[in-house]
Amino acid sequence: QVQLVQSGAEVKRPGASVKVSCKTSGYTFTSYDINWVRQAPGQGLEWMGWIYPNSGNTDSAEEFQGRVTMTRDTSINTAYMELSSLRSEDTAVYFCARGRELLSIDHWGQGTLVTVSS
Amino acid sequence: SYELTQPPSLSVSPGQTASITCSGDKLGNEYASWFQQRPGQSPVLVIYEDTKRSSGIPERFSGSNSGNTATLTISGTQAMDEADYYCQSWDRRKVVFGGGTKLTVL
Repeated sequence: QVQLVQSGAEVKRPGASVKVSCKTSGYTFTSYDINWVRQAPGQGLEWMGWIYPNSGNTDSAEEFQGRVTMTRDTSINTAYMELSSLRSEDTAVYFCARGRELLSIDHWGQGTLVTVSS
Repeated sequence: SYELTQPPSLSVSPGQTASITCSGDKLGNEYASWFQQRPGQSPVLVIYEDTKRSSGIPERFSGSNSGNTATLTISGTQAMDEADYYCQSWDRRKVVFGGGTKLTVL
């Protein structure tokens, strides 16, 4: 079965960076996008960007450009999302989710809580 | 930037039909999906490619998408359907989510 397992919760200081991992199994890693979506406490879903593991190509939402870096390691079927220059407003649960561009996003990880606090 | 607009909340009685709308400019030109999210859980895909039910989703869930509006319909709503629902589509290959609708079954 398709599984996306994310790394554990993080607490960071303002100005620091955080890197979240998303280990996949149960499907061909290079055949699907990995999307990154976050959800601030009590708020809705916010798309951050995606990476296509086959090529390493990425795209991100304008509000995160310059601050988010998405990478992958095809040898261990794992995707990564690094967010820099953290501020308190970045406190959120970060999800990875498998998708097919322009078609669907079908499986989600369990989420990683990132808390930014001084 | 492109926006998808949903009603913040909707209340229905058990057994009634719930219709959640999602509005966006020329939304019908792209596929729409719907996600269900219960408190403390990850979103679950309910409807994809406008009308297709995801695996394991009951038949009472259906979707449509035309013009500027996509609609998620839940026929014979049950207490277990109480959750937040999000629509999702694409704009210039970027993913866009609606603001979410809190469905209350009472």
